[in-house]
Amino acid sequence: AQSVTQPDIHITVSEGASLELRCNYSYGATPYLFWYVQSPGQGLQLLLKYFSGDTLVQGIKGFEAEFKRSQSSFNLRKPSVHWSDAAEYFCAVGARNKLVFGAGTILRVKS
Amino acid sequence: DTAVSQTPKYLVTQMGNDKSIKCEQNLGHDTMYWYKQDSKKFLKIMFSYNNKELIINETVPNRFSPKSPDKAHLNLHINSLELGDSAVYFCASSQDRGGLYQETQYFGPGTRLLVL
Repeated sequence: AQSVTQPDIHITVSEGASLELRCNYSYGATPYLFWYVQSPGQGLQLLLKYFSGDTLVQGIKGFEAEFKRSQSSFNLRKPSVHWSDAAEYFCAVGARNKLVFGAGTILRVKS
Repeated sequence: DTAVSQTPKYLVTQMGNDKSIKCEQNLGHDTMYWYKQDSKKFLKIMFSYNNKELIINETVPNRFSPKSPDKAHLNLHINSLELGDSAVYFCASSQDRGGLYQETQYFGPGTRLLVL
């Protein structure tokens, strides 16, 4: 069965510092991978996605993610975090018409 | 214009009641979904419909009944509400066709259900 693991429940970074959120997946076929962000009291917004091709994908708000098949990972990165990035981030794998989500990582940004 | 909208945004009700949540998308998508986000923020799919046809039903109690009057709408009706039904329910849509998952899902703002 498909599964997604986000090992970090909470991460705190200083504003301006770099960020990496980890995501590992389990899926038998070629995965379709996504990162979504959820601000407090809001719905989910797509940051970026990987379907095929270049393993480094660029998303909105300055985020990028790298697909590493050998490590079954799809980590999200941002070189310089802004206070407005504080939110919860969900990694997901697409599997036969449904998304399987990880448990999420809460990002706190300190000034 | 809101792409995926849900009503109501908040719903507070008593145990045993029956309630409905409505979802509409104006993206012209073929497929719609309901997800449940529990108190620990874990998101799990409940149902998906493709062109009004149920294609995913993920071990959800039969007190939950989705209804799709047309491909732009997917409503969720819940009978005999229980405390454990308290959660945030998200509707989503995508342009999937033929069961090949390749398209992005767009989410609504969520409906926060509290059962007392």
